[in-house]
Amino acid sequence: DAGVIQSPRHEVTEMGQEVTLRCKPISGHNSLFWYRQTMMRGLELLIYFNNNVPIDDSGMPEDRFSAKMPNASFSTLKIQPSEPRDSAVYFCASRGWRDGSSGANVLTFGAGSRLTVL
Amino acid sequence: DAKTTQPTSMDCAEGRAANLPCNHSTISGNEYVYWYRQIHSQGPQYIIHGLKNNETNEMASLIITEDRKSSTLILPHATLRDTAVYYCIVRVMGEYGNKLVFGAGTILRVKS
Repeated sequence: DAGVIQSPRHEVTEMGQEVTLRCKPISGHNSLFWYRQTMMRGLELLIYFNNNVPIDDSGMPEDRFSAKMPNASFSTLKIQPSEPRDSAVYFCASRGWRDGSSGANVLTFGAGSRLTVL
Repeated sequence: DAKTTQPTSMDCAEGRAANLPCNHSTISGNEYVYWYRQIHSQGPQYIIHGLKNNETNEMASLIITEDRKSSTLILPHATLRDTAVYYCIVRVMGEYGNKLVFGAGTILRVKS
């Protein structure tokens, strides 16, 4: 099991550019979460999906952020246009359906994507 | 969700037990206590969870008081690699679409 795979691990871009972060959840997991972490605000939940359907996007900061999950094995988080205040580490996490009965909140996190917007 | 209160930081000597407290005085009867940790530059890692009975796994033990208003995560023999931020979270289990919200956590420094 390769775990949750995120790409890119590091991204440096200029203000105004589009940024796309990618996530491959653990095979068989049916829930996927996007978190953002900064020194000032800690770990923030941006959005999560159950069975590829967005359930709660109340944490998405503004319309510049969008997330999709076209199938069970892939999700993207897009920022367009990017701004310096978007600089953060973005984590993707997944959770399995079988964990719903014995560990509904047992999430497996990826290594994160560190975004720097200049 | 019930709010949790954790100390900002703690120190522990290598090889000794690390006892990390968490207060959750407003916890409701169907809310579980979860512990995660985050080692520097890595994603958070699940440690353990429980409802009202004490729990133990290969990583740690979780002691929940009888009134469930507080709990303690115990790392029996702390090593330098256990230096991390430890998060205590309370959440209902089993709800469709439930989500985990992380607080500030406790910075545990294990020293040789």
